[in-house]
Amino acid sequence: DAKTTQPNSMESNEEEPVHLPCNHSTISGTDYIHWYRQLPSQGPEYVIHGLTSNVNNRMASLAIAEDRKSSTLILHRATLRDAAVYYCILRGAYDWANNLFFGTGTRLTVIP
Amino acid sequence: DTEVTQTPKHLVMGMTNKKSLKCEQHMGHRAMYWYKQKAKKPPELMFVYSYEKLSINESVPSRFSPECPNSSLLNLHLHALQPEDSALYLCASSQIGGAGEQFFGPGTRLTVL
Repeated sequence: DAKTTQPNSMESNEEEPVHLPCNHSTISGTDYIHWYRQLPSQGPEYVIHGLTSNVNNRMASLAIAEDRKSSTLILHRATLRDAAVYYCILRGAYDWANNLFFGTGTRLTVIP
Repeated sequence: DTEVTQTPKHLVMGMTNKKSLKCEQHMGHRAMYWYKQKAKKPPELMFVYSYEKLSINESVPSRFSPECPNSSLLNLHLHALQPEDSALYLCASSQIGGAGEQFFGPGTRLTVL
């Protein structure tokens, strides 16, 4: 059973910021929040992860709610190359091999 | 080298054939994974290897037989598959425990006739 829920699809205009939400109300204290994206005809690609604090890297930012029951992946300026399915998954720090479920993901369409 | 390679890219096999999928990584990762992905669906975990030992088998039928001959290689042996097994088979690797972000290969597109 997927432990995360995401909207099925979202649209964004090119060069606009995009906020992709994820709900994970059953998260445990040692679960990391991971985001991956899958471009057409490719394997998933790691984007970012976090535990409690907000995180930034060259690809995106991750904002984590204070209660950790939700998170938001932020793409600061969407490009056409960001059109993909974005998955949010939980990964236990200790029980890491169990329950590695990808939810349905959010299909992001970027409009030129 | 942050690449996971998978061969072959495409495979067509009959229901009586025996074939194998191969996955390789040289990142020193000691966890390796097989996922199955049907069209327009998320990846589904099949197997997890930890230190070359099978640690997770998500109730996968025995016609799929994984093997991890060393820390860099992961195989998936296929025998007597059904047409509904046609899918994209993805391999991934990661560090053990911790955040353990996974690195995925491009997948093998399998068609069972």
